[in-house]
Amino acid sequence: GQQLNQSPQSMFIQEGEDVSMNCTSSSIFNTWLWYKQDPGEGPVLLIALYKAGELTSNGRLTAQFGITRKDSFLNISASIPSDVGIYFCAGLTGGGNKLTFGTGTQLKVEL
Amino acid sequence: DAGITQSPRYKITETGRQVTLMCHQTWSHSYMFWYRQDLGHGLRLIYYSAAADITDKGEVPDGYVVSRSKTENFPLTLESATRSQTSVYFCASRPREGQEEKLFFGSGTQLSVL
Repeated sequence: GQQLNQSPQSMFIQEGEDVSMNCTSSSIFNTWLWYKQDPGEGPVLLIALYKAGELTSNGRLTAQFGITRKDSFLNISASIPSDVGIYFCAGLTGGGNKLTFGTGTQLKVEL
Repeated sequence: DAGITQSPRYKITETGRQVTLMCHQTWSHSYMFWYRQDLGHGLRLIYYSAAADITDKGEVPDGYVVSRSKTENFPLTLESATRSQTSVYFCASRPREGQEEKLFFGSGTQLSVL
């Protein structure tokens, strides 16, 4: 089946730093989504991307839909303690009902 | 409160026992999903349902059974639990076709099979 690989697997950063993570696939996707999972909760949608090359922001978060349609990137600027959690990418092929989720990037923020 | 709720929140069971995880949503969403979350694998789809009485397999359906007699409920049953089914299980729902990004997750059930 399709696989989405996220990197890094985990990261430990200082408060105020910018964060970058990415998601790559061997398959093409028509939609890319980024979710955040707080400890003990289910994932919540952060950003949705629908076109190759699209760059979309949500507050301090910016995500991009890769030109090849096989990757996506998420940046967090000026990280704060509440950014702690696991970030998942997810991809959707055309006409599908099923999202394919990435392996997740765990973010820890040091005060 | 409106939304999607899962129960129980935590469950410990023994190998070979039958376990049912409950999921209830109050939005009348057509689609409901069951995922399991494991380290290194992210979220993997177990089963999904497009409407009442319509269910279909996902990526990892073996050892699980689902039913959807009512739109708002989508229980997941482990017929004979195995240790490999120790995981965190998430139920999710979304309104209809073409709104894949509007996926809402419950808070999860942490299941331990001893």
